[in-house]
Amino acid sequence: GENVEQHPSTLSVQEGDSAVIKCTYSDSASNYFPWYKQELGKRPQLIIDIRSNVGEKKDQRIAVTLNKTAKHFSLHITETQPEDSAVYFCAAGPSGSARQLTFGSGTQLTVLP
Amino acid sequence: GAGVSQSPSNKVTEKGKDVELRCDPISGHTALYWYRQSLGQGLEFLIYFQGNSAPDKSGLPSDRFSAERTGGSVSTLTIQRTQQEDSAVYLCASSSRMGGSYGYTFGSGTRLTVV
Repeated sequence: GENVEQHPSTLSVQEGDSAVIKCTYSDSASNYFPWYKQELGKRPQLIIDIRSNVGEKKDQRIAVTLNKTAKHFSLHITETQPEDSAVYFCAAGPSGSARQLTFGSGTQLTVLP
Repeated sequence: GAGVSQSPSNKVTEKGKDVELRCDPISGHTALYWYRQSLGQGLEFLIYFQGNSAPDKSGLPSDRFSAERTGGSVSTLTIQRTQQEDSAVYLCASSSRMGGSYGYTFGSGTRLTVV
């Protein structure tokens, strides 16, 4: 089955700096890679996703890159703000079916004012 | 409904008792998933329902765990003879196909504490 590894487990950055979270996956059949943000005590929410037919996707201050050959994908947050502080989860799974996603172990991002 | 609803939001139970957790998915979502999140940990897959197909139970940690989905809508996760290690937040998600991928919408979870 799929195995997703996520690094780092914790990340502290100064407000305004960039943050990068990296994930690797094992199953070459995976072609859907979403990222979820979970604020303390709240549900995970989808913030951005990418499919394997594209290498990069941007949405304002967040971007995701995918290297399918190396089986890794990354989340980039620019101009970080205190409200970006949360746990971020990457996930991988097959698109075109509703099979379950496999999640990474999460990254606790803290943006210091 | 407007989102995925889970009940109860919190449940404290004594070791050895049975508990039932409920998930009401978004109307029309054909896929429903249960995940478990232990304190400070990631999301552990438990079980997945897709339409009328047999559920994928490959993530259930023991035979004390079971789930059903009635009428392709509401799902109930049952934990029998609860143990302290069952303490966690149980998250339900539902999804529908959008543009070739399935984006999950999570519920707020049920925080289960076994004392």
